[in-house]
Amino acid sequence: DTGVSQNPRHKITKRGQNVTFRCDPISEHNRLYWYRQTLGQGPEFLTYFQNEAQLEKSRLLSDRFSAERPKGSFSTLEIQRTEQGDSAMYLCASSLYPGAASGANVLTFGAGSRLTVL
Amino acid sequence: AQKVTQAQTEISVVEKEDVTLDCVYETRDTTYYLFWYKQPPSGELVFLIRRNSFDEQNEISGRYSWNFQKSTSSFNFTITASQVVDSAVYFCALSEANYGGSQGNLIFGKGTKLSVKP
Repeated sequence: DTGVSQNPRHKITKRGQNVTFRCDPISEHNRLYWYRQTLGQGPEFLTYFQNEAQLEKSRLLSDRFSAERPKGSFSTLEIQRTEQGDSAMYLCASSLYPGAASGANVLTFGAGSRLTVL
Repeated sequence: AQKVTQAQTEISVVEKEDVTLDCVYETRDTTYYLFWYKQPPSGELVFLIRRNSFDEQNEISGRYSWNFQKSTSSFNFTITASQVVDSAVYFCALSEANYGGSQGNLIFGKGTKLSVKP
């Protein structure tokens, strides 16, 4: 088990370009989450999947953002027409959620993908 | 609305001092979960503890201890005999339970940066 893997670790792009980040969760984890973290702030929830179903999206996730988890394994987060305000660390996390009776599941985070929009 | 407040932005201590990181939360739910995560300079969030709202018993793990008080909506974290390796940003987070289980959304505070000097 190599933990949660995110690629690329760093991305510098020009305003208006599209970028895509990939997250490979821990293999047996059925839930996958995307968070965004800006400097000096805590992570902010963007969206999460249970298997391949996207169950919740934050209002922070504008129309330019789309996330997929097509086979219930890895996930991609695409940002179209990037803006300077999109510059942030994008964090992926995964967890094993065995059912409603189990209580809160513990998220394991990846090291993040840092986006800089010039 | 749910909210987590970490009023201490930065704390600096000398090695072997004890230090307490404060966390105050707001929620309308009667069932919820509280977490602490550590984010070292490498950037990867590391899970430290999870506590549910029905368990107010304090917990100790080595040099770490947590004090949960529902009456004051606080979940404070104490490091005893701090070490240089404890230097990191520490985040308190809240997750509300929904439909008997847990939502995917962790609400983080802004974090407290702890610097432990030799």
